[in-house]
Amino acid sequence: QQQVKQSPQSLIVQKGGISIINCAYENTAFDYFPWYQQFPGKGPALLIAIRPDVSEKKEGRFTISFNKSAKQFSLHIMDSQPGDSATYFCAADRTLNAGNNRKLIWGLGTSLAVNP
Amino acid sequence: DAEITQSPRHKITETGRQVTLACHQTWNHNNMFWYRQDLGHGLRLIHYSYGVQDTNKGEVSDGYSVSRSNTEDLPLTLESAASSQTSVYFCASSESGASYEQYFGPGTRLTVT
Repeated sequence: QQQVKQSPQSLIVQKGGISIINCAYENTAFDYFPWYQQFPGKGPALLIAIRPDVSEKKEGRFTISFNKSAKQFSLHIMDSQPGDSATYFCAADRTLNAGNNRKLIWGLGTSLAVNP
Repeated sequence: DAEITQSPRHKITETGRQVTLACHQTWNHNNMFWYRQDLGHGLRLIHYSYGVQDTNKGEVSDGYSVSRSNTEDLPLTLESAASSQTSVYFCASSESGASYEQYFGPGTRLTVT
C-alpha cells in the first residue's frame, strides 16, 4: 500500500524552465517531508526537507511547497539545468513508537531530464 | 571524512548460492537500512536496525537476513539467491531521531543467473 504517491513518473524540461514534481500522502502522522536526488550510478542524497508547520522552504533554485490541508507537497526546480538531470524521490518521515525510532516512506521516484 | 561504503560494487552469482553484501559506515550512526531499487518500484526497505543487536523486517524481507554486532556494520545475506533478487542494493545510515536524513552508500549491483 503506497502511502506516498509521486507524479509524474518521468519529466522532460528545457534548460531554463521550471521542473515541478508532486507528491501526496495519506497518513497525517508524518513529521518531515524530505526530497532526495539520485544521479545515475550513485546512491540518493538528501536535497531539501520541510516540516508540516511550514508552507514553503527555498534553498537556491530548489523550493518545496507544502499544503497540509490537501496532504500534498511539491518540489519546484527553477531555471532547470542539464546538471539537474537525475531521479528525484519524495519521502515522508514518521515516528514508529514513543522513542526516537523513525522510518521513511518513499515515493516511487521521478526521472527528470533537462534538455540543453 | 565520515562515509558509508558497500562491497562488492558488482556481483554475479548463481541461483541457490548464499551471498553476503557488506555495508560499513564511519558516521557512528545508530540507524542503518538496507534497500533494493528496481525500475518502477523505487526504493523498497528490506531490513533496518536501530542499534547493536536490533534488527527489523522491512516490506520485502523474505529471503534476506541481517545481523548487527557492532555500530559500523550491517551485512545483508541472501540465504539462497533467486533470479527475483537481481537488483541494485543500497545501504544507508542515519542518526537516532533524525532518520529523515539518511546517508546512502554507492550501491551494489547484484545479478543472479
